Amino acid sequence: EAEVAQSPRYKITEKSQAVAFWCDPISGHATLYWYRQILGQGPELLVQFQDESVVDDSQLPKDRFSAERLKGVDSTLKIQPAELGDSAMYLCASSLGAGASTDTQYFGPGTRLTVL
Amino acid sequence: GQNIDQPTEMTATEGAIVQINCTYQTSGFNGLFWYQQHAGEAPTFLSYNVLDGLEEKGRFSSFLSRSKGYSYLLLKELQMKDSASYLCAALDSNYQLIWGAGTKLIIKP
Repeated sequence: EAEVAQSPRYKITEKSQAVAFWCDPISGHATLYWYRQILGQGPELLVQFQDESVVDDSQLPKDRFSAERLKGVDSTLKIQPAELGDSAMYLCASSLGAGASTDTQYFGPGTRLTVL
Repeated sequence: GQNIDQPTEMTATEGAIVQINCTYQTSGFNGLFWYQQHAGEAPTFLSYNVLDGLEEKGRFSSFLSRSKGYSYLLLKELQMKDSASYLCAALDSNYQLIWGAGTKLIIKP
């Protein structure tokens, strides 16, 4: 069964350091999402890609966060510099369709970030 | 504004039935998803409803009433492994998912 891959699974860093997360979506999935989830809350969309283009990054704190999906396949999310409030689970999801779609989003295992 | 409401926590007994309710207010509506999320893990897809009515999938069923902005997830023959958070998410007019905070379900023997 195809799965979304993410790495690393856990990351501990000190504030002001740079961190990067990687995601490989299910093969053939055009749309890729990065979410942040704080314990006890629902996922919050950070950025959505359709192929290599950003569809929505309205909730991405662009002063410190960046995301790319250069070849329209795998993606990297970076935080520089990390702050204490960035401690959360970072989830990557993908869905088959492009554009306006009701396709199901499938999630990877997530990266648990702890900023000290 | 857009909003999803679901209970924070519920407790049920192994073997019993539990209903988790969700009410939504969104700008437009293109369907409602339920996901299961075990502690420390990623959400996994359970169901999608876009038409009114009940959809059954094994021990799990999901109901939607578009006129009432209401959905529920029904879990039958509860097992200990069903202890998890259950997330309700509505798809708005821009096909963006609006997520609830999740309902933590505790199953007791």
